[in-house]
Amino acid sequence: AQSVAQPEDQVNVAEGNPLTVKCTYSVSGNPYLFWYVQYPNRGLQFLLKYITGDNLVKGSYGFEAEFNKSQTSFHLKKPSALVSDSALYFCAVRVGSSNTGKLIFGQGTTLQVKP
Amino acid sequence: DAMVIQNPRYQVTQFGKPVTLSCSQTLNHNVMYWYQQKSSQAPKLLFHYYDKDFNNEADTPDNFQSRRPNTSFCFLDIRSPGLGDAAMYLCATSIGQGAFGTKNIQYFGAGTRLSVL
Repeated sequence: AQSVAQPEDQVNVAEGNPLTVKCTYSVSGNPYLFWYVQYPNRGLQFLLKYITGDNLVKGSYGFEAEFNKSQTSFHLKKPSALVSDSALYFCAVRVGSSNTGKLIFGQGTTLQVKP
Repeated sequence: DAMVIQNPRYQVTQFGKPVTLSCSQTLNHNVMYWYQQKSSQAPKLLFHYYDKDFNNEADTPDNFQSRRPNTSFCFLDIRSPGLGDAAMYLCATSIGQGAFGTKNIQYFGAGTRLSVL
């Protein structure tokens, strides 16, 4: 079965420090991977995606993610965390047809950035 | 500028009383999705439309139905809500065609939080 795992329920970092939110995946074929962020009582916002090409993907708000095929990982990173980055982060993998493939989400990781 | 709009933001219904949630989009996207997200859990896809073609997930209960009268609007109908249906319901859209990377980005509305009394 195709799946995504986020091993940490919560990540705590101090403002200004680098942050990493972990994601591993299990898919057949080439993985199409996404990160979304969700603020309280809001919908999900797209951060970045990996489809093909460079393993280091840059996205919105200074976030980036590194695709590692051998480790089947797609960790989200940011060099310097902001308090405003505190939110719920979801990793997702796309499965299904070429036009309407659905997203399967990990269970989410709460990022808490403290001043 | 809101591009995927869900109304209402909060909905309270009674056990067993039919309820309809609304989603509209200004993106002219081909695909519209409905997800259910329970507290502190990942969103779970209920069904989606590609244009007028309806695609139901195998484990979506029959209690959940959907309508898409035109490109811009999609509705989620819960025929007989139970206490277990209390959740955030998220609508999303995607282009569904064109460059592979672009067409698979989903744009989400702010969600409707449903309470069942």
